[in-house]
Amino acid sequence: QLQLQESGPGLVKPSETLSLTCTVSGGSISSSSYYWGWIRQPPGKGLEWIGSIYYSGSTYYNPSLKSRVTISVDTSKNLFSLKLDSMTAADTAVFYCVRRVRIGQGTGALDYWGQGTLVTVSS
Amino acid sequence: DIQMTQSPSSLSASVGDRVTITCRASQSVSSYLNWYQQKPGKAPKVLIYAASSLQSGVPSRFSGSGSGTDFTLTISSLQPEDFATYLCQQSYSMPLTFGGGTKVEIK
Repeated sequence: QLQLQESGPGLVKPSETLSLTCTVSGGSISSSSYYWGWIRQPPGKGLEWIGSIYYSGSTYYNPSLKSRVTISVDTSKNLFSLKLDSMTAADTAVFYCVRRVRIGQGTGALDYWGQGTLVTVSS
Repeated sequence: DIQMTQSPSSLSASVGDRVTITCRASQSVSSYLNWYQQKPGKAPKVLIYAASSLQSGVPSRFSGSGSGTDFTLTISSLQPEDFATYLCQQSYSMPLTFGGGTKVEIK
């Protein structure tokens, strides 16, 4: 059974960079059938797509965050990572890592999610 | 970006009721529409993909329909474990976008 697990700090200071890692187990991140991505959800609010990466390293970032986001992949460790620069209180959210179907039926569906990690921005 | 609008934002229903939730896209998304269920403190779980295909393991009381801009999620007979928030998501174009959610509460 595929599992995704986020890890990283739960508290970040304003202006600092958030770094999160998503470790994938029970399957290979190098599959040609999937993208790997990040989504966030501010407390009590809706879901926002941050961006995604293919195992080859090609990325897509939400234009609303593009200037601050970097997503990378380490196929040798079966994990991918998120960096979000210049954090502010408005970035306080639960961050989820996800698998997105790339080809075939269900293209674009987010079929596996991590449990989520709450990141609070505060001094 | 494609805007996704769900209605209603919340509803109250009883066990056994038939429940219908709608999702409208600001432009056509063909059949690239997915539905999720989210319970408090948990990650969303995909129920329906490609507008009408049931995800493996999801009970058959859940169904989806629609294409273009208008979509519907139906729960044929609401069960106690179905009280949750339901979200639609378009995967037609990037960035992926979500509806604001419909909270299904116990009457």
